[in-house]
Amino acid sequence: AQSVSQHNHHVILSEAASLELGCNYSYGGTVNLFWYVQYPGQHLQLLLKYFSGDPLVKGIKGFEAEFIKSKFSFNLRKPSVQWSDTAEYFCAVTPQNRDDKIIFGKGTRLHILP
Amino acid sequence: GAGVSQSPSNKVTEKGKDVELRCDPISGHTALYWYRQSLGQGLEFLIYFQGNSAPDKSGLPSDRFSAERTGGSVSTLTIQRTQQEDSAVYLCASSISGTPADTQYFGPGTRLTVL
Repeated sequence: AQSVSQHNHHVILSEAASLELGCNYSYGGTVNLFWYVQYPGQHLQLLLKYFSGDPLVKGIKGFEAEFIKSKFSFNLRKPSVQWSDTAEYFCAVTPQNRDDKIIFGKGTRLHILP
Repeated sequence: GAGVSQSPSNKVTEKGKDVELRCDPISGHTALYWYRQSLGQGLEFLIYFQGNSAPDKSGLPSDRFSAERTGGSVSTLTIQRTQQEDSAVYLCASSISGTPADTQYFGPGTRLTVL
């Protein structure tokens, strides 16, 4: 069965630190990959997504993610975090097949110390 | 334009009672999804509606859960004979066409507490 693993459940960083949140998926075929973010008190919203082309994807607020097919990974990165990046981050995958649903990881809670 | 809305925002009920949760998707979006978000468990897919096609109910955890979508727009998720383990945040999302690469737009959720 398809699955998405987010290795870090809770991450605490200081402002200006660099961030990398891990995401690995298990699926043998072609996939679409997403990172969604939920800021405190706000709706879950899309941060960035990959479905084809350049494996390095730029998202909002300075985030980027790199799809490494050989590693089944789609790690999220930001070179210098801000206090406002405190949120919960969810990695998700959909196989490129209409019959298969999106699968979300369990989420990573990121807490940025001011 | 208006985003996805859900009501109520909070619902407290007693074990054994039935509850109905409502979702209004973004106008024009043909796909609608329900998820359950429990602490530390991520988002659990429940059900998916796409246009006039039969819904994908494969994520519903038991036959106490059901959902309908009337007129291709508003959806209602019903939980019968609620149990304490049903306590969670129920999220609704919609997307423009339901294709795998589509962005899903989420509502604020309904926090259900079963006493």
